Amino acid sequence: GESVGLHLPTLSVQEGDNSIINCAYSNSASDYFIWYKQESGKGPQFIIDIRSNMDKRQGQRVTVLLNKTVKHLSLQIAATQPGDSAVYFCAESYGQNFVFGPGTRLSVLP
Amino acid sequence: GAGVSQSPSNKVTEKGKDVELRCDPISGHTALYWYRQSLGQGLEFLIYFQGNSAPDKSGLPSDRFSAERTGGSVSTLTIQRTQQEDSAVYLCASSPWAGRYEQYFGPGTRLTVT
Repeated sequence: GESVGLHLPTLSVQEGDNSIINCAYSNSASDYFIWYKQESGKGPQFIIDIRSNMDKRQGQRVTVLLNKTVKHLSLQIAATQPGDSAVYFCAESYGQNFVFGPGTRLSVLP
Repeated sequence: GAGVSQSPSNKVTEKGKDVELRCDPISGHTALYWYRQSLGQGLEFLIYFQGNSAPDKSGLPSDRFSAERTGGSVSTLTIQRTQQEDSAVYLCASSPWAGRYEQYFGPGTRLTVT
């Protein structure tokens, strides 16, 4: 079956540095992708999305890159802050279905 | 405006009992999703409602799980004869439309089966 991500890795970055969180997806038919942030004890919060007809989209301090050739999605966070510490999930959508990966835990070091 | 709300926030139940979890989606959102999240894991799709269409139940793990959505708004997820492996956080999300729109999640209900 389709899968998004395989493990729950942890990424530790120094405050002020840039963070890059990666995600692999397997369904080439997916045409919509989302990044979510989940803080402890809370539900996932939408960060940014991208459609398959784009390869880059920027938001406030965040950039999502989509490489359809290798089925890879990344989230870049500029000038990482302590409040960015959370688990980040990517999700792919095809038709009416969403498939979420297991997530990446981002820890921001002081 | 008001987001997605879920109740209760925490539920502890004994093995074998039935539980009902409630989700109030954002007003006007036609799509509603239920997910299950086990500790340290990703989101497992359970069921999806879109307007008045028949729900997509393909993610329900067993016939002990069922869900309904009344009046196209509030949804209830029911787990009968709960088992310890049902312990997880149950998340509800709503979306203005199915598929290619972001989902707005509630805070979840943490279910513990003892």
